[in-house]
Order: sequence, then structure tokens, then C-alpha cells
Amino acid sequence: GAVVSQHPSWVICKSGTSVKIECRSLDFQATTMFWYRQFPKQSLMLMATSNEGSKATYEQGVEKDKFLINHASLTLSTLTVTSAHPEDSSFYICSARDDGLAGGPPPNEQFFGPGTRLTVL
Amino acid sequence: KQEVTQIPAALSVPEGENLVLNCSFTDSAIYNLQWFRQDPGKGLTSLLLIQSSQREQTSGRLNASLDKSSGRSTLYIAASQPGDSATYLCAVRRRGNNRLAFGKGNQVVVIP
Repeated sequence: GAVVSQHPSWVICKSGTSVKIECRSLDFQATTMFWYRQFPKQSLMLMATSNEGSKATYEQGVEKDKFLINHASLTLSTLTVTSAHPEDSSFYICSARDDGLAGGPPPNEQFFGPGTRLTVL
Repeated sequence: KQEVTQIPAALSVPEGENLVLNCSFTDSAIYNLQWFRQDPGKGLTSLLLIQSSQREQTSGRLNASLDKSSGRSTLYIAASQPGDSATYLCAVRRRGNNRLAFGKGNQVVVIP
């Protein structure tokens, strides 16, 4: 149980194009999901908190118009990197916070996806 | 702002030795602390989660302690194996906040 998937696992794109990354909670509902970015040998940095049915909350310094987040259902959040540039190349990881429904995993714990490696040429 | 520091950044040990990984955080008003394992190019696997009211958690060869007042947690891995080679991340969740603050990790190599 408590599995989070991401798609794609890796993507290579040309500078100026947009890339969409999906994050799904497979066996639990997640009103809240989180998007992180990780550069080599660095810590995970929270980019934004995705809330089902409402606007995402972005961390300071993260451009909301560049990193579009949509949380259209209780099991799916998407991150779109618009007009990607080489400096956007990174490892993007999502996590989903279990809503704590009966019979599910412990509430409030975050479960992480396998990550998406983005390379912008 | 919560700052999380992990020491040492990297270490190599011979197989069979016990591993001791340290994590410190600046704000003691935490909700919980979590240890993760990350293999190269992969996502995070949760190892242990310690609630703020707990002192330690154990799972198999892993034991994590929490001293909230001093802002420290230690992850012990007993009788290390080559398969334990990975980066171990410590993350702290603040009270009244969903956000996790991560350290940079302890990169571990267990030499056969």
C-alpha cells in the first residue's frame, strides 16, 4: 500500500518547450501533494504544495507562472515546466500526504514518488 | 526557518560495522522526524518516522533516536551490509505545517 507513481521517469526536451510531469497516489486519497526539486548532491527543496480543488501554494523564489501545478483529483497532481531552459534540468520528486481514511496507512505521512529526471538541452 | 544538517556528508565502512548517522535541526517545535533512504537516481524510501512525543523507533537492523530538546536525531544501522550503500536523508516536519525540511544527506558506502 501507499504507493506513489510519477510519469515519466525521465524526459529530455529542447529549450523553450513545456514538459508535464504526473504524480499519482495509487491506493490512497491525497488532498495534498508536494513537489520537490533536487540538484546533484543537494537536498530536496520544496517547490510548492498542491491542493486538490484549489490553487497551489508556492515557496519563496519559485515562479508560479513557470511551474504550473494542477491538482484536479484526489489522486493526481501535475507539474508543468513551461518554456524550459537548461537551468531547469533537475530531478523532480513528488509526494502525497495520505488523507487518513479508514483502513489506510497512518494519516498525515507523506509518501514519495520515484522521481522524474528532466534534462533540457 | 528550519535548518537541517547531516553529518558526516559521506562515509565508507567495512561490511559488518555499525553505522551511526547524525541529523541536527535548529527549531525544536517539530511534529515528527523521518529518515529516508535514496538510491542514486531514485526516489525516497521511508525507513523510520518518529513522532515528536517518541524517543526512538526501531525496524530490523535500524534504530532511530530523537532528542527534541537538543535538536538531534541519530540513525543506527547494525551490522552493515553492501546493500545498505545509499544516501540517507533526514527530514523534519514542523508543528502546524505540512512542509518537510530536508538535510543534504549522509552518503554511505559499505565495502564488502
